[in-house]
Amino acid sequence: QKEVEQDPGPLSVPEGAIVSLNCTYSNSAFQYFMWYRQYSRKGPELLMYTYSSGNKEDGRFTAQVDKSSKYISLFIRDSQPSDSATYLCAMDQYTGNQFYFGTGTSLTVIP
Amino acid sequence: EAGVVQSPRYKIIEKKQPVAFWCNPISGHNTLYWYRQNLGQGPELLIRYENEEAVDDSQLPKDRFSAERLKGVDSTLKIQPAELGDSAVYLCASSPRQLDEQYFGPGTRLTVT
Repeated sequence: QKEVEQDPGPLSVPEGAIVSLNCTYSNSAFQYFMWYRQYSRKGPELLMYTYSSGNKEDGRFTAQVDKSSKYISLFIRDSQPSDSATYLCAMDQYTGNQFYFGTGTSLTVIP
Repeated sequence: EAGVVQSPRYKIIEKKQPVAFWCNPISGHNTLYWYRQNLGQGPELLIRYENEEAVDDSQLPKDRFSAERLKGVDSTLKIQPAELGDSAVYLCASSPRQLDEQYFGPGTRLTVT
């Protein structure tokens, strides 16, 4: 069993839709949870970073962590064509230690 | 602030040839990571440096891969000899000490023919 599971998609939505991206994990020791966005032929770009359980909001993006269910989500409101990318979740036990990445979900927002 | 710089961006080599990748992290970032990303997969850690010390190289295939980070700044990742299965994107990332946010470079896309 992989440490982190992520549905690869692809996911296609109309512009303006609310997008929900999810990851599950098996290691209860994970404390730090991140979402990265990766455009084609680019390196991953950090979007959201949360510690432990709870919600965090940044503009159109909301990250949720449910440690009891070992489940994290990223919501994108009012999705835009520029949001079309692959979204990677990542998790870590200790600060600066090894990240465990999901496989990424490919998202296309159709104008 | 300049981001993580990597070169070359693309490299095509024949199998059994050597290849090297270079990374310049964000200024002041003491932690440096090399990842390999296969198509349709997330990045997988190869090696992590704290300053010039390799503190986690458990996933580095040491028979053919080597890395160095002289003076705790720039880093080089080498493959010798390359195999067909090494075709992937090699990503470098850096982070400030004791903070978790990793900043990635654009990657080097390696094709082994």
